[in-house]
Amino acid sequence: GAVVSQHPSWVICKSGTSVKIECRSLDFQATTMFWYRQFPKQSLMLMATSNEGSKATYEQGVEKDKFLINHASLTLSTLTVTSAHPEDSSFYICSAVTAPRYEQYFGPGTRLTVT
Amino acid sequence: AQSVTQPDIHITVSEGASLELRCNYSYGATPYLFWYVQSPGQGLQLLLKYFSGDTLVQGIKGFEAEFKRSQSSFNLRKPSVHWSDAAEYFCAVGAGTSGTYKYIFGTGTRLKVLA
Repeated sequence: GAVVSQHPSWVICKSGTSVKIECRSLDFQATTMFWYRQFPKQSLMLMATSNEGSKATYEQGVEKDKFLINHASLTLSTLTVTSAHPEDSSFYICSAVTAPRYEQYFGPGTRLTVT
Repeated sequence: AQSVTQPDIHITVSEGASLELRCNYSYGATPYLFWYVQSPGQGLQLLLKYFSGDTLVQGIKGFEAEFKRSQSSFNLRKPSVHWSDAAEYFCAVGAGTSGTYKYIFGTGTRLKVLA
């Protein structure tokens, strides 16, 4: 139980284009989803927290207009990287929580490469 | 401020030797504590967690961790390391209330296992 999927697992896009990453909770309803970014050989950096039906809360320093997060349902959250640049290349990981548990279930990650 | 410290960036052990990975946290209340393992290019796998109760927690793959409140520590141990344990290990603290809950990750410890 408590499986989280991400799609795609790997994406390559050209500079200036936008790319959407999906995060789905497969067997539970996620009241909250989180989006992380991970640079090579570094820890996870929380980008934003999204609650179903409300606007995402972004961490300090994260551009909300560049990283658009939508949490349209209790099982789906999307991260759209707009006008991508090579410096946006990274490993993006989502996680989901179902209240009242305080444990995050992580997706397998999406590797984004911007050329 | 809340923080998680993993003092050892790299650790190398011989296969069959014992292992201890250190994790210290700074948090005002009783924390929720987690250890995750990440293989290259993969997502996070939960090894074990502590919410309350017995301070010695058993996890998967033969790992255990002990919560020591007086030392603000949650060290991960394994009596005999296998070559397949080579990976990155992250300690995390769950902080906040239900509306603001998030994880704080340590910087990670990269484990290398010598044959």
